[in-house]
Amino acid sequence: AQRVTQPEKLLSVFKGAPVELKCNYSYSGSPELFWYVQYSRQRLQLLLRHISRESIKGFTADLNKGETSFHLKKPFAQEEDSAMYYCALSGGGTSYGKLTFGQGTILTVHP
Amino acid sequence: EAGVTQSPTHLIKTRGQQATLRCSPISGHTSVYWYQQALGLGLQFLLWYDEGEERNRGNFPPRFSGRQFPNYSSELNVNALELEDSALYLCASSRRGGREYTEAFFGQGTRLTVV
Repeated sequence: AQRVTQPEKLLSVFKGAPVELKCNYSYSGSPELFWYVQYSRQRLQLLLRHISRESIKGFTADLNKGETSFHLKKPFAQEEDSAMYYCALSGGGTSYGKLTFGQGTILTVHP
Repeated sequence: EAGVTQSPTHLIKTRGQQATLRCSPISGHTSVYWYQQALGLGLQFLLWYDEGEERNRGNFPPRFSGRQFPNYSSELNVNALELEDSALYLCASSRRGGREYTEAFFGQGTRLTVV
């Protein structure tokens, strides 16, 4: 069974501070990991995926297979980063459509 | 380009009734996914349709069903509604499901309330 755990429901930081949103997963094969973000009154949208190894809006995430983690990081948080963040896992192959989401972390960046 | 559209935005039903939720994917997308976001339970995968066929199903009872039409739009039907079916139902679409990754784009959701 696949599972995604986001241990923090709420995370508050001040503008300019580093931020790390934690994500741990459980999956027996080689998963693909994603971070989705939902800004206030907007749709859920893809932020980044581990395969692309991109930095989106200053955010990065590294897949650590040993620790089964995919933490999202940003060195200097901005107020516009305030949103709900979901970590998600796909088993890949014929299961790309089936995303397993974590419970989400609400990030608040204070001025 | 129009995004994924869902209708209705809100739906109120009585326990035991049936609910029908609709989703129009982005033009050119053949895969449609349904997710349930119930309070305290997070986003849970419901169904995945691609090219008119059900490709995968989440851990939901059979009274949750759906279909995909030739124009790739989709319906989600929930029969014999129960109070715990109250949730936000999200639809997403992508160009093609299956063996390679394609980004899924989400709609705004339908808020179903069962009273």
